[in-house]
Amino acid sequence: AQKITQTQPGMFVQEKEAVTLDCTYDTSDQSYGLFWYKQPSSGEMIFLIYQGSYDEQNATEGRYSLNFQKARKSANLVISASQLGDSAMYFCAMREGEGAGGTSYGKLTFGQGTILTVHP
Amino acid sequence: DGGITQSPKYLFRKEGQNVTLSCEQNLNHDAMYWYRQDPGQGLRLIYYSQIVNDFQKGDIAEGYSVSREKKESFPLTVTSAQKNPTAFYLCASSIAGRSPLAQYFGPGTRLTVL
Repeated sequence: AQKITQTQPGMFVQEKEAVTLDCTYDTSDQSYGLFWYKQPSSGEMIFLIYQGSYDEQNATEGRYSLNFQKARKSANLVISASQLGDSAMYFCAMREGEGAGGTSYGKLTFGQGTILTVHP
Repeated sequence: DGGITQSPKYLFRKEGQNVTLSCEQNLNHDAMYWYRQDPGQGLRLIYYSQIVNDFQKGDIAEGYSVSREKKESFPLTVTSAQKNPTAFYLCASSIAGRSPLAQYFGPGTRLTVL
């Protein structure tokens, strides 16, 4: 079974509008972490945002926010005020077995990714 | 500047040859990782290392080998036993014990087997 599911192979958004990229996950662990990465055409993976399973507040980092719904096991990425430079592949990832306070050596499991295209 | 370097950026090899991909980091990170990415796919973990002289297999370790003799370096060897080695290879590192700092990635090496 897929541990991370990104159901949108591709998304389009108009510049300056907001867009939501979906991510659902599957784990039996109580402690885990969720990550979003951006991969531009150059190939490098850029860390965007993190949400711990015990975090009560949704994570935010500038124009990025994570809509964390624990009961639904979803961790959607919201990008506000889209820019042309946001066009890229976006990956959701999970790290299981995290200790309290976020201590972990665990590996990341990635979803298949969503290609976001921002139109002018 | 601190970061992760991978070399070379593009690599071509003949079928049946072993090839070693370099990964160096000067971030003083404890843990290092190797991932493989196929076109249009997510990343899959090959090997990871939490400390020097220790490493663990990931999900797709067959046909690969690694070493971790120094904290800064984690080279990956793609052996002739790897059936389909053409892919994009990404190295990452992280500070063990602090999840919000996440894993930071190098620029990747694109390997093509001719």
